[in-house]
Amino acid sequence: EDQVTQSPEALRLQEGESSSLNCSYTVSGLRGLFWYRQDPGKGPEFLFTLYSAGEEKEKERLKATLTKKESFLHITAPKPEDSATYLCAVRVSGYNKLIFGAGTRLAVHP
Amino acid sequence: GAVVSQHPSRVICKSGTSVKIECRSLDFQATTMFWYRQFPKKSLMLMATSNEGSKATYEQGVEKDKFLINHASLTLSTLTVTSAHPEDSSFYICSARDPVPSTDTQYFGPGTRLTVL
Repeated sequence: EDQVTQSPEALRLQEGESSSLNCSYTVSGLRGLFWYRQDPGKGPEFLFTLYSAGEEKEKERLKATLTKKESFLHITAPKPEDSATYLCAVRVSGYNKLIFGAGTRLAVHP
Repeated sequence: GAVVSQHPSRVICKSGTSVKIECRSLDFQATTMFWYRQFPKKSLMLMATSNEGSKATYEQGVEKDKFLINHASLTLSTLTVTSAHPEDSSFYICSARDPVPSTDTQYFGPGTRLTVL
């Protein structure tokens, strides 16, 4: 069964304290791994798409990496405005839909 | 990034009434749109996938007659919650898939908060 697991469930950081969020997946055929950010009461905001192992993408303080079994979202020197829930999702070959993980709730304190 | 809008953003209705939510892709044509439901502090739960001009595909456990989905054009999909009851109160989010190979990404709307009294 295709599955996506995110860890940790919640993460509290001090401003400037770098860390990583994990997304591990077990799928029959990966056709893209997606990272989204979701603020309370809003729809998810697209961050990155990764397609193959070894691929990396960066945007401001965020960097996403992909291996054959997992993806990491690295947050460098986070700021309070980075506080949100980060969602990981995969698209499996033969399917249109995304399979989402449960998300990681990130809180960055000044 | 691509923009997806939803209307209304918030709706309160009485039990037994029907509510329609619109989802539009503003700057791309979406052959496929998706409808999700999200409970507090939970991840997204896919309700159905809609393809333009054809019937929606519903996920297991989602009542087709309860949640009517129409995808009449490449930029508009609607979700109608029929005979709404308090247990239908939730946050409903749509998304649209941009099929251009260089992106091929799902973009989400801002969500609609439904409260059924």
